[in-house]
Parts: sequence; C-alpha cells; structure tokens
Amino acid sequence: AQRVTQPEKLLSVFKGAPVELKCNYSYSGSPELFWYVQYSRQRLQLLLRHISRESIKGFTADLNKGETSFHLKKPFAQEEDSAMYYCALSPQGAQKLVFGQGTRLTINP
Amino acid sequence: DTGVSQDPRHKITKRGQNVTFRCDPISEHNRLYWYRQTLGQGPEFLTYFQNEAQLEKSRLLSDRFSAERPKGSFSTLEIQRTEQGDSAMYLCASSSSDGNQPQHFGDGTRLSIL
Repeated sequence: AQRVTQPEKLLSVFKGAPVELKCNYSYSGSPELFWYVQYSRQRLQLLLRHISRESIKGFTADLNKGETSFHLKKPFAQEEDSAMYYCALSPQGAQKLVFGQGTRLTINP
Repeated sequence: DTGVSQDPRHKITKRGQNVTFRCDPISEHNRLYWYRQTLGQGPEFLTYFQNEAQLEKSRLLSDRFSAERPKGSFSTLEIQRTEQGDSAMYLCASSSSDGNQPQHFGDGTRLSIL
C-alpha cells in the first residue's frame, strides 16, 4: 500500500529563518512526488514536483529514494509562505494522488 | 478559463437524503478526479475518469456513491442515503493526459449532514 507521512501537523518559524517541511513515503515502486499548497481562502494548487527539479517561490525539494523522503525546503521564510502544505505521491502508472495529512506552516514576523 | 468549477460550494442536508454535486473541469482536460477531505486530513482519492470512462474507483467509494461523466465533460457525484460520516469537503480535479500533466483542483463542495 502507498502511504505519505508528514510528521508535523504544525510548524512555526520566524521570517527570514530556514524552513523544512518533512515528507516520508512508503511505496515499493518508483513514484512521482509532489508538494501542493493551500493559501488562506484559496484552492489547493501545485507548488512543485520532483521530476521538474525546479525552485518555485524559493522552495526546493529533493527526492531521496534511500530514505524515501521528499522534504520541502526554503532558506529564508517569508510571511506570505504561511499556508497549508501537502505532500503527495502518484504511484507508478497510476493517475491518482495519495496525500499526506498536511503541515500548517506559520511564518511569524 | 476560470479553472475547475464546482457546484454547489456548500450543501447542508438531513441524514438519509440524496445529494448530487457537479464538477466542470478545465475545458481542454480529458481526465477528471474526485477526492474527499475530512477535517485534519489530506484529500483521499475516490475515483477518476478519462473522457467518459470511469477507470478507477477507491474502496472508499461505497455502493451509496456513484459518479458519472456522461459526455466526457462535466461530472456528477451522487451520494444516496447520506450518513453523518459523509460530512466532508468533496474536491474535484482535472488534468490533461498529454505527458505528465499535474492535477488542477477546484474549490470543493462542503457537505454537512445534520
């Protein structure tokens, strides 16, 4: 079975500090990994995906197959980063997304 | 294009009633997905269509749930004989099958069972 674990339900950091949102997954094949974000009163939207290897809004995430992790990082947090963040995987050959429980990130001024 | 559109935004109904939700995907997207999200949890996959064909259904989708996409455009999700446990946010997403395109989500329909 596929599973995504986000160990922190809440994470609070100060503006300008580094931030890391943890994501671990359980899947025997080669999944595709995503981070989705939901800002206040907005819909769920894609932040980044591992195959793109992009930096979006200063965020990066590296897929570590050995540790089955896909942690999201940003070196200097900004207040507008406050949001709900979901890690998700898509099993190989499948179309569905399997989501973690989410982490609510709060950036304090 | 305003993105994925869902209607209604909110639905309050009594236990035992039937409810139907509608999803209009992004116009050029041929894949459509339904998810359910309860408080404090991430979205959970329910079912997915490619064009009008329903290609996968989760075990979460009990006999009381049925989804259709009759012309390969909009989709409906019906819940019959609603139960308290059906209270949730129902999310629709769509994507293109060209390459590895990501899913785009709607605002969801929040269902409350009295």
